[in-house]
Order: sequence, then C-alpha cells, then structure tokens
Amino acid sequence: DAGVIQSPRHEVTEMGQEVTLRCKPISGHNSLFWYRQTMMRGLELLIYFNNNVPIDDSGMPEDRFSAKMPNASFSTLKIQPSEPRDSAVYFCASSLELTGGSGANVLTFGAGSRLTVL
Amino acid sequence: GENVEQHPSTLSVQEGDSAVIKCTYSDSASNYFPWYKQELGKGPQLIIDIRSNVGEKKDQRIAVTLNKTAKHFSLHITETQPEDSAVYFCAASLGANNLFFGTGTRLTVIP
Repeated sequence: DAGVIQSPRHEVTEMGQEVTLRCKPISGHNSLFWYRQTMMRGLELLIYFNNNVPIDDSGMPEDRFSAKMPNASFSTLKIQPSEPRDSAVYFCASSLELTGGSGANVLTFGAGSRLTVL
Repeated sequence: GENVEQHPSTLSVQEGDSAVIKCTYSDSASNYFPWYKQELGKGPQLIIDIRSNVGEKKDQRIAVTLNKTAKHFSLHITETQPEDSAVYFCAASLGANNLFFGTGTRLTVIP
C-alpha cells in the first residue's frame, strides 16, 4: 500500500483565495482524520469521518473551513477565503476502526500539505 | 476534554546514551497511549503504543511505561543513534477516534 496520499505537498496562495487540500486514505480504512499542525498549537484535530460520514467537526476553526468525503477513497479540506493565520501543515490520517470500539486507534498519517497564505 | 502535557520540549543526548520523554494526561478514562515519531518534512509515524491494561511494553531499543494511578506515561529510548533524532509526540485516547496529542519533544542525538 502506498500509504495515505496527500496533495498538494506545498501550497502558497494569497489571502482571500480558495484552497483545497486532498487526501486518499489507505484502502480498507474506514476512518479519516484531518489535523492541523502549527508551532503554537501543535497537532489539532479538525474533523474526522467514519464510513464517509462526518462524526466530529468541533475542531474546525470557523465557517471558512469545510471538509467532505464523497467516497471511501477521497476527502477534501477546503478553506474559503484563506487568511494568513491559516498557514500551517495540514495532515490527513486514516485508521481502521473495529466494530465495538476497542479504544485503540492506530492512525497512519500522510506526509502533509504545507500551506502558506500571504 | 483530555489534556496531555509533554516534557521536555527539547532534549539533547550523546549517541549511545538513553533518552526519556514524559507525558501526563488528565482524564482517567483514557485507555490508549501511542507514541509518534515525526521526521523533518514527514507525517508522524507510530513507533509504539500501550493500552491501559499493561504497565510496560518494549520493542527493541524503545520502551513505554504507564502509571494509571499517577496518570503519566513515558517513552524510553536506549542506545540512542543519530537516526533517532526527530520530534516525538505522545498521545492519549478517550475512545476509538479522538487522540489528544502532547506538544512534542525535539530529540537531538549528538554523534
């Protein structure tokens, strides 16, 4: 398996522009997570999906952020309009959640998308 | 929600020495404690994990200990090598799908 694939790896854009980050989870995984990493706040969970359904989006900063998972092999995180404070590395991760919720959650992360908003 | 604190934020050791990173958590319901290693330009990678019914787990040069009473867990790396240099994150999980991460420790192994 190629692992979790994210694109683009780097994105530089100007304030006000729309940004779309993409993720392909590991085949067979049923949970997908979007994290944001900054020096100040570390790794923050933005949203996670289980079986393509958003379960918890309480970490999404504001209405400018939206995420979709139209099928089991693809997800997007969109920022519109982007602001300089959105500059960060955005990680997608996936896992296989077993029925019954054992409490174990082995996440596999992608390489991240580094976003710079000027 | 869960609050995970991690110390130290930076750690330098001589090659061959041991490194210890410590984390505390706030919610006694947490039952899963993974450790991730993040190399420059890459995503975090799971290196070892422990569940609340186990006090210690070892995998070659890496070991993790858990004290549920005190709500703290630690990562131990023995015989450190330059390739161990990275940022290490601890995490705690309340349930199946919500990991709370520590703030990270930047480990530098000096050859």
